[in-house]
This record gives sequence, C-alpha cells and structure tokens, in this order.
Amino acid sequence: DAKTTQPNSMESNEEEPVHLPCNHSTISGTDYIHWYRQLPSQGPEYVIHGLTSNVNNRMASLAIAEDRKSSTLILHRATLRDAAVYYCIPYAGGTSYGKLTFGQGTILTVHP
Amino acid sequence: EAEVAQSPRYKITEKSQAVAFWCDPISGHATLYWYRQILGQGPELLVQFQDESVVDDSQLPKDRFSAERLKGVDSTLKIQPAELGDSAMYLCASSFSGDRTDTQYFGPGTRLTVL
Repeated sequence: DAKTTQPNSMESNEEEPVHLPCNHSTISGTDYIHWYRQLPSQGPEYVIHGLTSNVNNRMASLAIAEDRKSSTLILHRATLRDAAVYYCIPYAGGTSYGKLTFGQGTILTVHP
Repeated sequence: EAEVAQSPRYKITEKSQAVAFWCDPISGHATLYWYRQILGQGPELLVQFQDESVVDDSQLPKDRFSAERLKGVDSTLKIQPAELGDSAMYLCASSFSGDRTDTQYFGPGTRLTVL
C-alpha cells in the first residue's frame, strides 16, 4: 500500500478556504486518491476522489499534482460542521477489489 | 437516503465473554467491510466480503474473531472470547461493487468496551 503523509492538525476560521495537503510519493499509477472525513462520534464519510485531473463536487475540490505524488483537498468556505479528521487514501490498485487503508489523518479545527 | 445500519450502538462486556455485532448494508451493495478503530487512530480493515465470499481477512485475528455474511446481505462479526485490547469502535461499510472508484458508505459503528 502507498504511504501517505498528512499534517497532524490544522486550524481555520469559519467561511475561509482551507487547503489540506497530502503527500503520497509511493502511489502507483492505477491508484485513485480518495478523501474521507470523520466527524466526532460518527463513521467516516466520503468526500471526493480523483486519478489525475482536478475534481470538484458539492463538498470540496481536489487538486492533484502533475506527478501525482501529492494532492490537496480544498474546502472553499469552511463551516463549523467541517470540523473533522480528514483522511487522504490512495485506493489500492493491482487488486480486484478496492481496499481503503486509513492513516492518522489531519484533525481540522474550525473557529467561529 | 439509504444508510448502513449497525447494532448495537454500544456494548459493554467482560473479558472472556462472547460478543456479536450486526450490520445491514445498503440494499444492492455487493461489498461489505468490517473495520476496527482504536481511539485516536484511523480505521483498520478486518474483513471484506464480496457477496457472501470473504476476499480479504488478512488482518482478522482468526483465533478469536469470526465474520459471516450468509446470503450475501447482512453480516455478523463475532469475538469469542473478548479481551481488554478489543475495546474499540467497530465500523461496518458497504459499497456497490468494491471497485477502486467506488464509494464506501459507513455505518455509525458499535462502541465496544471490554472490562
């Protein structure tokens, strides 16, 4: 499985953009990059995923470096509800079935 | 919106007792996962089913843990006997096909405390 490096914690103010970085220098060419988040006392929830191109959805944007060794999750306007642990996960390639390998993630604190 | 159901939400047991957790995935989802999450860490995959077949149980402590998914729908995870180190959150997730582009949907989890 590809190794990931994320900051242990980050802080933001409400309604400001947040850029959550992730390094995944050992990612294989077929691994998708998934982001999940886990709100307090809840199970993880899907945020976004991509392979090579930048991706947008209603929750966030994902910017993937051209060499695919890093990516950045962008929350355009943080809200208090975005306070969570964010996990960057290369979705294991080379197997028939996907396997999410969670790391420590980044604890995001949002200040009012 | 369809959700993954888990029960019980909380379980307190004494060591050496048997415990069981139940999961009902989203209807139509072929792939079902059981994860264990120790406080302060990310979830760790214990077992993955494709329909009724186990496709990955490499991290399942098979001397005490067992999992089944009869008829390829709901699933049960059992621990016998429970040990103090088993105290954790047990999460169930499901996905449509298990493909690398597929989204996993997680249930609320079962918080297990072993005394």
